[in-house]
Amino acid sequence: GENVEQHPSTLSVQEGDSAVIKCTYSDSASNYFPWYKQELGKRPQLIIDIRSNVGEKKDQRIAVTLNKTAKHFSLHITETQPEDSAVYFCAASKGYKLSFGAGTTVTVRA
Amino acid sequence: DAGVIQSPRHEVTEMGQEVTLRCKPISGHDYLFWYRQTMMRGLELLIYFNNNVPIDDSGMPEDRFSAKMPNASFSTLKIQPSEPRDSAVYFCASRPGANVLTFGAGSRLTVL
Repeated sequence: GENVEQHPSTLSVQEGDSAVIKCTYSDSASNYFPWYKQELGKRPQLIIDIRSNVGEKKDQRIAVTLNKTAKHFSLHITETQPEDSAVYFCAASKGYKLSFGAGTTVTVRA
Repeated sequence: DAGVIQSPRHEVTEMGQEVTLRCKPISGHDYLFWYRQTMMRGLELLIYFNNNVPIDDSGMPEDRFSAKMPNASFSTLKIQPSEPRDSAVYFCASRPGANVLTFGAGSRLTVL
């Protein structure tokens, strides 16, 4: 099955700086790559996703890049704010089953 | 739509007891997933259904776990007998085909 690795496991950034989270996947047939944000005690919620026919997608301060050749994708958060503090999960799928990375705990320092 | 509805939100039970978790997916979503989340293992897929039919239950840890989906608007995850290592947050999620996966609020299970 699909194996998704996510790095780093924790990330501390100064407010206003950028945060980057990287994921790699094992199955070259995977074609859908969502990112979820989970605040403490809450459910994971989709923040952005990308499909394999696109190399980059941006939504305000959040962007995702995909390198199909290297089988990795990344989440970029610019101008971080305290409300960006959460656990972020990447995921990959080629059909209907999503495989999740282990998560990155992001802390934004004021 | 009210989203994916799960109950109970919190369950505390004693080892050996039966636990039943319930889920109502978003109307029109033909895929339903059960995930378990723990600090040690992260988000694990237990089982998923398509049009009420179980497609992949390879993530179900053992025979103590079972899941059913008797109709398009209801699914259950049952643990019998429960053990302390089953303590986790269990999420139900649904999606329309290969589109966005939406999670429920989760059921936090504590087995003493």
